[in-house]
Order: sequence, then structure tokens, then C-alpha cells
Amino acid sequence: GAVVSQHPSWVICKSGTSVKIECRSLDFQATTMFWYRQFPKQSLMLMATSNEGSKATYEQGVEKDKFLINHASLTLSTLTVTSAHPEDSSFYICSARDPGTGGPDTQYFGPGTRLTVL
Amino acid sequence: AQTVTQSQPEMSVQEAETVTLSCTYDTSESDYYLFWYKQPPSRQMILVIRQEAYKQQNATENRFSVNFQKAAKSFSLKISDSQLGDAAMYFCAYRTVLGEKLTFGTGTRLTIIP
Repeated sequence: GAVVSQHPSWVICKSGTSVKIECRSLDFQATTMFWYRQFPKQSLMLMATSNEGSKATYEQGVEKDKFLINHASLTLSTLTVTSAHPEDSSFYICSARDPGTGGPDTQYFGPGTRLTVL
Repeated sequence: AQTVTQSQPEMSVQEAETVTLSCTYDTSESDYYLFWYKQPPSRQMILVIRQEAYKQQNATENRFSVNFQKAAKSFSLKISDSQLGDAAMYFCAYRTVLGEKLTFGTGTRLTIIP
């Protein structure tokens, strides 16, 4: 199946700093990628939809100036948490939509990034 | 708005036995996609099985099969011959045909008893 990678797998940073998380589709081109946030023992919460070459679409309640998303190529989307604070600590997961193999309806997920803000 | 409900927060099953996880959804669409994803302790989300609403035949993938009841808006997952590696959180998800976003249920934690 299609493979999606994320980097880093975990990161610890100081409050007030910015952290960038990368999401790559390794064996397919993804025009659309998604960023989710997952709190412990909870479901995935969609933060934004990232389309290659255009601005991301943010879900209601998600601060676009705090969570910057860039989808500069068909295989790479980045999420930057700006001026991170302890309440931003969470598990961030990306997914990519594979329009080819798997059918047009399948999202493949990255392994996630655990962010801890001290 | 579409909603997905998983009414079983936790389930357990004896190894080699069969277990069924429940999922119901609400939609006004006539065509859509339904998915079951597995999230093991590694937290990597893995697609288990998917169903296209226009197909009457229930999807199967090896030991995993679904019971899709369109009129009842029900989409249950049956795991046969349960194995220790099946222990995970299972999420049911919905997507419209034209849409891109997945709507997830709250998940069911499955424990396999050796």
C-alpha cells in the first residue's frame, strides 16, 4: 500500500519556540494532505486540509496563524506550530490522499509526531 | 452534518474467537464511503477495510469483514480468528464521494485475551 512518512517522530521544545513537522508521500503524488491532532484516548480531530499549490483550508476553531501549513510539492506538506505553548502538546498525524492505487477515496496516514512543549 | 457513532468504548475477545465492532452513522447522502482504521499502540493508523455505499456486497479482507446495512446506516466490523496483533483502537470513518474529509467515530479499544 501507499506509504506516508512523518518527521520528526517526536519533538520536545521550549515554550515560545516554533516547531516544523514534515509529511511526505513516498510512493505516490498527493494533491491533498490532511493534518490531524489526537489527544490521549481520543479520536482524530481534523485541523486542516492542505492542497498543493494553494492555501490550506482550516477547520473551525483552528488558528491559521498558529498552525502554518505549506504544501509546496506533490509529495511534501509541512505543519509549523508557531510560538508553541504547553497546551499545544499533542500527537499530530498527517494523511495523504492517493488518487491512484487504492482508489480515489483512500487516505493513508503517517506514523504521527508527538510534540511536547515545556 | 454527518456523524459517526461507535457505542462500544471497549471490547475484549478471546484469542481465536470472533468479535464484532459496531458503527452507525448519519447522513443524507445516497452514495459515500465507509472505512475501518486500526490504530495499534504504535499509533500508526492502518486501513483495515473500506466499503462503497453503492455496492451491496459486503467487503472482506482476509479475517476482516463488514456487515453493511445501508437502510439502518450501520457498518459493523467482524474480526474472525482473533490474534494478539489485532489488539488496537479501531475507528470507523465516513466520507462523501465528492468530499475529502473523513469523519471519525470515537473509537473502540479491542483487547485480545490469550
